[in-house]
Order: sequence, then structure tokens, then C-alpha cells
Amino acid sequence: GAVVSQHPSRVICKSGTSVKIECRSLDFQATTMFWYRQFPKQSLMLMATSNEGSKATYEQGVEKDKFLINHASLTLSTLTVTSAHPEDSSFYICSPLAGFYNEQFFGPGTRLTVL
Amino acid sequence: DAKTTQPTSMDCAEGRAANLPCNHSTISGNEYVYWYRQIHSQGPQYIIHGLKNNETNEMASLIITEDRKSSTLILPHATLRDTAVYYCIVRLMYSGGGADGLTFGKGTHLIIQP
Repeated sequence: GAVVSQHPSRVICKSGTSVKIECRSLDFQATTMFWYRQFPKQSLMLMATSNEGSKATYEQGVEKDKFLINHASLTLSTLTVTSAHPEDSSFYICSPLAGFYNEQFFGPGTRLTVL
Repeated sequence: DAKTTQPTSMDCAEGRAANLPCNHSTISGNEYVYWYRQIHSQGPQYIIHGLKNNETNEMASLIITEDRKSSTLILPHATLRDTAVYYCIVRLMYSGGGADGLTFGKGTHLIIQP
């Protein structure tokens, strides 16, 4: 299967700071990138969808000015949590999609803790 | 995408077959059944998918009923490393064009007992 990496795997930051999470598809080009988050003991929730070179579309309830997504290339997408607050503490998972695959692959996730 | 119903949790003895059921009574004719699992603190892992025929790969087997309203994921020889949350998801096959993200339900927490 395809290889997806995320960096960092774990980050702790102070309230009010911004955090950038990188997602890379290492052996395929992703035309679409999905970003999910998962709160403790809950299931994954889709946050946003981005297509390379286009603006991301956000799910209801997800603030686009708070969660900045950049999908500038077919192998790299970034999610920036701006002015993070404790309620943003979550597990963030990226999922790049290549049109020729029948299954969707996921990154290993980034654990964000905001103090 | 059609809704799925899974048991909240299941136990299985190590070395035995784990059979995980999923109901998807509102599945439409062009929707596939996908299974993913998520081991604690990791991203989801693809397991298998199928349309109407039974499928088998190196990880598992997928049995879909003739009316396609339910399916069963079978892990033939469960190990402790198979302890995870298993998600059954029904969706259209990707066409290479626009695609929607997967909708995850609560899944089944499978616990393999030594």
C-alpha cells in the first residue's frame, strides 16, 4: 500500500500559538487531501477536503480561518492550527487520495496537546 | 453514503477466528463495503473492500450476504496485535474525479484475549 507520513507525530504547545502539521504521500501523488480529527474516545471526523492548487472546503462547524490548509503540491499538504486553544487538543490525521487507488490511505496521525 | 450498524465491542480468543458483523440495509447497488481498522493512537488501516462477491486477501476475508444488506469481516487466526477498532463503511468506489471523505461510525472495538 501507499506510504503516508505526518510530522510531527506529537506536539505540545502553549495556548495562543500556532502549530503546523505536515502530511506527505511518499510514493504516490495525491490529487485530493482529507484532514480528520479525533477527540478522545470518539471516531474520526472529517474536517476539510482540499484539491491540489485549490482552496480547501471545510465541513460544517470547522473554522476555515483557524485551520489553514495548504495543498501546494501533489505530495505535500499542511494543516496549520492558528491561535490554538486547549479545546483544539486532538489527534489530527491526514488522508491523501490518488484517483487510481481503490482504497484510501491514512497518515499515522499527530497528537496535539494545547496547554 | 449508506449508514452502517456494528456491535460496540467484541472479544475473541487468540488463535481463533474473529467474525465482525456489519449491517448496511440501505446500501445502494453501486456502493461498496469497506473495512478499516484503527489500532490505538495510530491512523486507520485499510483492510478489505467488496461489492457483492466474497473477497479474501492476506489480512482478512469479507463475506457479503446475497441481498447485500449485511456483511462479515473474518480475521482467520486472530492475534493480540489485531486488537483495534474496526470500521465498516459503505461508499461509492472512487472514480478518479471528485471524491468525498469517509464517514466513520463508532466501529467495533475488538479485543483479542490471550
